[in-house]
Parts: sequence; C-alpha cells; structure tokens
Amino acid sequence: EDKVVQSPLSLVVHEGDTVTLNCSYEVTNFRSLLWYKQEKKAPTFLFMLTSSGIEKKSGRLSSILDKKELFSILNITATQTGDSAIYLCAALYNTDKLIFGTGTRLQVFP
Amino acid sequence: DAEITQSPRHKITETGRQVTLACHQTWNHNNMFWYRQDLGHGLRLIHYSYGVHDTNKGEVSDGYSVSRSNTEDLPLTLESAASSQTSVYFCASSVDTEAFFGQGTRLTVV
Repeated sequence: EDKVVQSPLSLVVHEGDTVTLNCSYEVTNFRSLLWYKQEKKAPTFLFMLTSSGIEKKSGRLSSILDKKELFSILNITATQTGDSAIYLCAALYNTDKLIFGTGTRLQVFP
Repeated sequence: DAEITQSPRHKITETGRQVTLACHQTWNHNNMFWYRQDLGHGLRLIHYSYGVHDTNKGEVSDGYSVSRSNTEDLPLTLESAASSQTSVYFCASSVDTEAFFGQGTRLTVV
C-alpha cells in the first residue's frame, strides 16, 4: 500500500530555533517529493524534489531528498512566528497523482 | 491572474441530500483533483481527471462522483450526503507536477 509518513506530528519551538521536519514514503512509480505549507487556507507550494542529494533552498527553508532511503527533510532555520503552519509532504507518482502525509503542525512562539 | 476557485466556501446540508461542490480553474490545466482533508488523515484523493470526459477514482471515492465536460470545471457531487462526509474539500489543478489548490469548501452534514 502506498503511503507517506511525516514526523513529528506536532512541534512547538521558540523564535530563532532551527527545526527539521521528516517525510518518508513508500510509493510505487515514484516521481517526485513535494512540500507544501498550509496556514489557514489552501496548501501553498514550497519545493519539489526529484533528484537525490540536491538541496533546494528558499530563504530560511531548505529541503533534500534521499531516494535510496526513501525520505526527505525540510529544514527551517531561525524560525519566526510566521512559520507557524502545517507542513505537508506529498509523493508524486504515476501520472501526476499526489499522496499526502498527515502533516506536521509547527507552532513558533515569540 | 489565472486562479482556481471553489464554491461554496461553506455548506451545511442534511443527511441524504445530494450536494455539488464547484471547482473552476482558469489556467487551462488538463489535470484536476478533488481531495478531502480530515484530522489524522491529511489530504486524501477522492477523484481526479486528466482531461475532458476523463474521470478516475481516488482512494476515498465511495459516495462521490465527478464529471468533466470542459477543461475549466470539475464539480464534485455527493450523491446522498452522510455525516462521515463532513470535511474540508480541496480542489487542485496541475499541468505537470506542481498542484495549485483552491481555498477549500467546508462541508457539514447534519
């Protein structure tokens, strides 16, 4: 059965901390791993990772994929209260189908 | 700007009623998807379409149907609403890999 598992389910940190969110997957015909940030409304796209070992960065966020061990991590450095959200990872498989993990709820306090 | 819109944003209906949730995108994307989001389950795929007159079942399709008569719209119909279908529903479209999400419809079945 195809599945995506995220950990931890919930994380509470203080501003300035660095966090690492984990995503493991078992998906047939895997193509890419995507990360989304969901605040109050719809998920918004962060990264798409297709190749192993190539880090993608956007400001304080970075992510990397390990296709041998079937996992990805999302790092957020110097966290801010605006980073508080649910972070979703999803595996893209077959022809443009996505299977999502349950998400990690990140709360950043001042 | 191109966008994807869902309507209504909120809906309360009674058990047994037929309900249709609308999804309209102006990107001219071939691929469209419906997901439901529930606590503890993340986003789960209900139905998807790769083009006009094409529809496919996702992992939680029982009790739902879709039709694709044009590129822009993928309405989701609940044939006979059940309390278990109380959820937040997201529509998404994609042209290749990155999926763009609508703002969601919160459906309550009483």
